[in-house]
Amino acid sequence: KNEVEQSPQNLTAQEGEFITINCSYSVGISALHWLQQHPGGGIVSLFMLSSGKKKHGRLIATINIQEKHSSLHITASHPRDSAVYICAVTPGGSEKLVFGKGTKLTVNP
Amino acid sequence: NAGVMQNPRHLVRRRGQEARLRCSPMKGHSHVYWYRQLPEEGLKFMVYLQKENIIDESGMPKERFSAEFPKEGPSILRIQQVVRGDSAAYFCASSPRQGLAFFGQGTRLTVV
Repeated sequence: KNEVEQSPQNLTAQEGEFITINCSYSVGISALHWLQQHPGGGIVSLFMLSSGKKKHGRLIATINIQEKHSSLHITASHPRDSAVYICAVTPGGSEKLVFGKGTKLTVNP
Repeated sequence: NAGVMQNPRHLVRRRGQEARLRCSPMKGHSHVYWYRQLPEEGLKFMVYLQKENIIDESGMPKERFSAEFPKEGPSILRIQQVVRGDSAAYFCASSPRQGLAFFGQGTRLTVV
């Protein structure tokens, strides 16, 4: 079983819809990251969280340390949000990132 | 302050050749990480370096792969005698401190 599990694997939405992507992990962590990758493109770091909630524009990330769960929300989704969203954790005592397999989001106009 | 710079963006090598991938971290960043993304798979950690030191290479294949981060110049990921299975996207990330990560655009290696 992967240390980081994301759901759903694929998600299709209509423009304007509210999107939620979930991430569960099984190890103790010092931080959790949400990343965005466009097809053939680089990786952009969206959030780094160790507790609570962060907001940037239409993106909101939350984490529940006790439940080992994080969510990424996108409000008023737009076709340009179409990308793969990747959850990654930094296990406690480690420097490296452990990644989920990603959620492919397609937002149709 | 330029971001993490990787070059080349695309690299084609014949089986048996050597591949050299370069990563220039962001200014002031002393931590460099290399990750590999195989087709249809998630990202996997390869190696973590600080200036002139390999800190964690637990994700590196035992043979043909090596990495360095010299005092001057970029970090280099070197793959000797490439095989088709080495075809992947290789991402470098840099950080000024533990936990934070800024990624480069990646190098897409194709072995023919």
